[in-house]
Amino acid sequence: SQELEQSPQSLIVQEGKNLTINCTSSKTLYGLYWYKQKYGEGLIFLMMLQKGGEEKSHEKITAKLDEKKQQSSLHITASQPSHAGIYLCGAASNTGNQFYFGTGTSLTVIP
Amino acid sequence: EAGVVQSPRYKIIEKKQPVAFWCNPISGHNTLYWYRQNLGQGPELLIRYENEEAVDDSQLPKDRFSAERLKGVDSTLKIQPAELGDSAVYLCASSLDPPGLAGSGDTQYFGPGTRLTVL
Repeated sequence: SQELEQSPQSLIVQEGKNLTINCTSSKTLYGLYWYKQKYGEGLIFLMMLQKGGEEKSHEKITAKLDEKKQQSSLHITASQPSHAGIYLCGAASNTGNQFYFGTGTSLTVIP
Repeated sequence: EAGVVQSPRYKIIEKKQPVAFWCNPISGHNTLYWYRQNLGQGPELLIRYENEEAVDDSQLPKDRFSAERLKGVDSTLKIQPAELGDSAVYLCASSLDPPGLAGSGDTQYFGPGTRLTVL
């Protein structure tokens, strides 16, 4: 089965600092999704990457999918307290039959 | 447009009791997912529906869990009897298309979840 490993597990940064979260797959990714989850709430879709080398940005968040399509990174520039939460990567299996989530990265931004 | 709706938001029951969760997906979304999320972990898929058909229920503990999606719209997930280890957040998600298809139609949108506590 496909596994998605995220690093770091948790991150505490000062407001205004940049940070990066990584998601590594044991198999080739055929589509990689990034979600954000606040405690006690559902997941909020951030962005999806499909092509190797693809990069997408939304406000201060940028996500990239590497050329080999086995790793993605999420970069936040000038972090704010509103960025705090749990970031999860997710991907479909190469057969498209199953969907997997990563282990999650908990982000705390100190004002 | 309304998002995915789930109820109840919270449920506390004693072990061996039955419990049911309800999900109303986004209108027009053919694919519906039920996930279980334990504290500090990512969601784990329990079952996926394409319209009214369960196409992936390999992770559903069938001895105590059951699900249905009558008429291919709303869905219910039931646990009977509940065990202490079932305490978790149960998330429902829906998408226009099944996972793995090209394009953005398979993007999943999540409900707020139901937090279950089994005492």
